[in-house]
Amino acid sequence: QQQVRQSPQSLTVWEGETAILNCSYEDSTFDYFPWYWQFPRESPALLIAIRPVSNKKEDGRFTIFFNKREKKLSLHITDSQPGDSATYFCAGEGSSGSWQLIFGSGTQLTVMP
Amino acid sequence: NAGVIQTPRHKVTGKGQEATLWCEPISGHSAVFWYRQTIVQGLEFLTYFRNQAPIDDSGMPKERFSAQMPNQSHSTLKIQSTQPQDSAVYLCASSLGTGGVERLFFGHGTKLSVL
Repeated sequence: QQQVRQSPQSLTVWEGETAILNCSYEDSTFDYFPWYWQFPRESPALLIAIRPVSNKKEDGRFTIFFNKREKKLSLHITDSQPGDSATYFCAGEGSSGSWQLIFGSGTQLTVMP
Repeated sequence: NAGVIQTPRHKVTGKGQEATLWCEPISGHSAVFWYRQTIVQGLEFLTYFRNQAPIDDSGMPKERFSAQMPNQSHSTLKIQSTQPQDSAVYLCASSLGTGGVERLFFGHGTKLSVL
């Protein structure tokens, strides 16, 4: 059962463009949505996260837009840089008390110079 | 702070052999997680501990996988009778554990190859 879905699977943008990565989830009990990024030969690291009390979370060039009604969120990367090239994972954590993060399958972003 | 330390970085086993993976969480972190990463399945949750106690092992294949945390400074993941489908990168992560999963700090992982 895939509870967190991401699209597209891969995305290529030019330097300076805005990259938009999409995520949707099924479990309405999810109340914490982190995005992790992973560079080649590295481990995932937290990039930015949001809780449903907000519909937007911004950190520099990275912004999460959250739509609770549609169970969708997106990560916008403005002024994309080649150094942003990585795989981005959306995840959800339920409010049931377990700290289990359910990860999506990831979007591989390539930023061309 | 050396971060989460996992050993070995690479392990090659023959089918049917046992593999033990080690993890040293960040000092002061009370929650320790194990994940498995493959190209096909992505990042899969296996199990986690809070204050050394096993809390949720719902992701663990029941028959051959086991995890322990005998003290606050290390956790082990043991795979008995390894199979080729167990080949993956096994990631250990820790977090402060003060409330919810918060930020996970991942180790570099152990790449397990079962021949």
